[in-house]
Amino acid sequence: SQQGEEDPQALSIQEGENATMNCSYKTSINNLQWYRQNSGRGLVHLILIRSNEREKHSGRLRVTLDTSKKSSSLLITASRAADTASYFCATDEGRQLTFGSGTQLTVLP
Amino acid sequence: NAGVMQNPRHLVRRRGQEARLRCSPMKGHSHVYWYRQLPEEGLKFMVYLQKENIIDESGMPKERFSAEFPKEGPSILRIQQVVRGDSAAYFCASSISRVPSYEQYFGPGTRLTVT
Repeated sequence: SQQGEEDPQALSIQEGENATMNCSYKTSINNLQWYRQNSGRGLVHLILIRSNEREKHSGRLRVTLDTSKKSSSLLITASRAADTASYFCATDEGRQLTFGSGTQLTVLP
Repeated sequence: NAGVMQNPRHLVRRRGQEARLRCSPMKGHSHVYWYRQLPEEGLKFMVYLQKENIIDESGMPKERFSAEFPKEGPSILRIQQVVRGDSAAYFCASSISRVPSYEQYFGPGTRLTVT
């Protein structure tokens, strides 16, 4: 798989449920970031987790990082229809961000 | 504090024409990055610039594409003799530093359509 590969590719849930997205990567990283992109719009930075951190919270978001497995997960709790978007993880390889192909999340009202 | 600005937001060009995309970084940011996003895909890095210098252009196609970030004014991504495969969204990001822990802030993108 590519660096920063998200899983699943698409996810549909009911409003109020939790959504979990996973990201795997291949090389060593300095940090890993999660972004959201609404359809036809730019990217919005959600959260950054450093390589020496294991878990981080921001509001309804919870990110974990397992450097031994080279994987990260993004959990959105109590989802809302407004959370419908594509979610990308991006790894910092020193000079550039490498993005995965994203998870398309649809939250049904 | 205005965010990263890109213009135009939408650009339509016929095959063979030139496309010029502009990016004004956030105030105080001197590092600019260009990314391309094809439909249904993630962003792909193209080029990283500081004022008057190209630092990393490993993601830029070898031909027809060029980028600059002059001492004054916005960063420009230039695509000469566009082809249909150039149709994509082009995003610019800026950061205050190249220190890895700093975030890159993204602009709204320019959607290029080549007819």
